[in-house]
Amino acid sequence: GAVVSQHPSRVICKSGTSVKIECRSLDFQATTMFWYRQFPKKSLMLMATSNEGSKATYEQGVEKDKFLINHASLTLSTLTVTSAHPEDSSFYICSALRGDLTDTQYFGPGTRLTVL
Amino acid sequence: GNSVTQMEGPVTLSEEAFLTINCTYTATGYPSLFWYVQYPGEGLQLLLKATKADDKGSNKGFEATYRKETTSFHLEKGSVQVSDSAVYFCALSGNYNQGGKLIFGQGTELSVKP
Repeated sequence: GAVVSQHPSRVICKSGTSVKIECRSLDFQATTMFWYRQFPKKSLMLMATSNEGSKATYEQGVEKDKFLINHASLTLSTLTVTSAHPEDSSFYICSALRGDLTDTQYFGPGTRLTVL
Repeated sequence: GNSVTQMEGPVTLSEEAFLTINCTYTATGYPSLFWYVQYPGEGLQLLLKATKADDKGSNKGFEATYRKETTSFHLEKGSVQVSDSAVYFCALSGNYNQGGKLIFGQGTELSVKP
């Protein structure tokens, strides 16, 4: 158990367009999901915490109007990168916190975003 | 604030060598400690965890012991394989009222040669 999926796994888009990334917990309910960004050969940078039915909490320095997060249900959170620019190119990873194991995050496989 | 420090990589070993990746932390309260592994082009997989002092987490031949006196959670494996080549992240999680956030170390790249 504790499988998290992300879709798409890779996306290439033109500068100025918006891209939506989905994160799903497949076999458990996730009261909280997290979105991370990872640069090459670097650690994960937490972007925001997403709680079902409420507004996301963004980390300092992350533009909430650029990175829109919606946690519509206990198994789905989406990250939309609006008006994407080449500097937004990165590896985006989500994770989900199981409701019954509150200190263990399970990670998705990541989405590679390339903005041309 | 809470932080995690890992030994710098890359670490290159021959197959069947002994592995140690050091991890130390600073934290208030009683954090849970984790090791995650990331294979090339993939997300993170939970490798093992420990939730209180003196707990030993183990999985797939890897183990780590939660040492409160030295604030450490070093990862060890007695005999590494080529398939263990990956990036390893040490992390801590504060109390649940801190929202379950993970604080990651910078990651240690392991390369195992046949």
